[in-house]
Amino acid sequence: SSQLTQDPAVSVALGQTVRITCQGDRFRDYYANWYQLKPGQAPVLLIYSRDNRPSGIPDRFSGSISGNTASLTITGAQAEDEADYYCNSRDSSGNPVVFGGGTKLTVL
Amino acid sequence: QVQLVESGGGVVQPGRSLRLSCAASGFTFSGYGMYWVRQAPGKGLEWVAVIWYDGSDKDYADSVRGRFTISRDNLKNTLYLQMNSLRPEDTALYYCVRVKGSELLDYWGHGTLVTVSS
Repeated sequence: SSQLTQDPAVSVALGQTVRITCQGDRFRDYYANWYQLKPGQAPVLLIYSRDNRPSGIPDRFSGSISGNTASLTITGAQAEDEADYYCNSRDSSGNPVVFGGGTKLTVL
Repeated sequence: QVQLVESGGGVVQPGRSLRLSCAASGFTFSGYGMYWVRQAPGKGLEWVAVIWYDGSDKDYADSVRGRFTISRDNLKNTLYLQMNSLRPEDTALYYCVRVKGSELLDYWGHGTLVTVSS
């Protein structure tokens, strides 16, 4: 199946900007979606179809795609943004969906 | 508002069975495909099974094909996952997830924990 590659861990100073990336050949044909996971909470859809935010998601979260890399950018990271972040996309190799391995974000 | 509430998890011995349920509310359940997605301890997300809005088609991850069965009751607004021949590697938090299109997982439940251990 297709692979989506994420850095396992990223850190950012409070109030600074951080970019979380997701590499894969899917993005030449399909969009990326981004999810936030926190312990004890239901996962949340943050960004869909590359750069759209669902209602209620703060505008400090944004998405983009360049070549084979999808990015989630948090502009002005807050303490509550400390979480695990996953990308996903459509998978054309027989599976309906593929996930990245996840990135643990630490806000310092 | 959209709510997905999973139930049925627990501790089970290897080789035994378990059935998970997901009660959906706040939307027209019969209009959406649904996924089961799991997360093993310390691991990433893994899709397990998907079912079309009307139950006419289903698909499974290779890791569970032949052992797990996804189904739905659109009159009861409920999604199910029948898990047979459970293995220790099936230990995970199982999420019920609504899907738009094929890969946009827009609403998730809190998950139900399945532990397979002797």
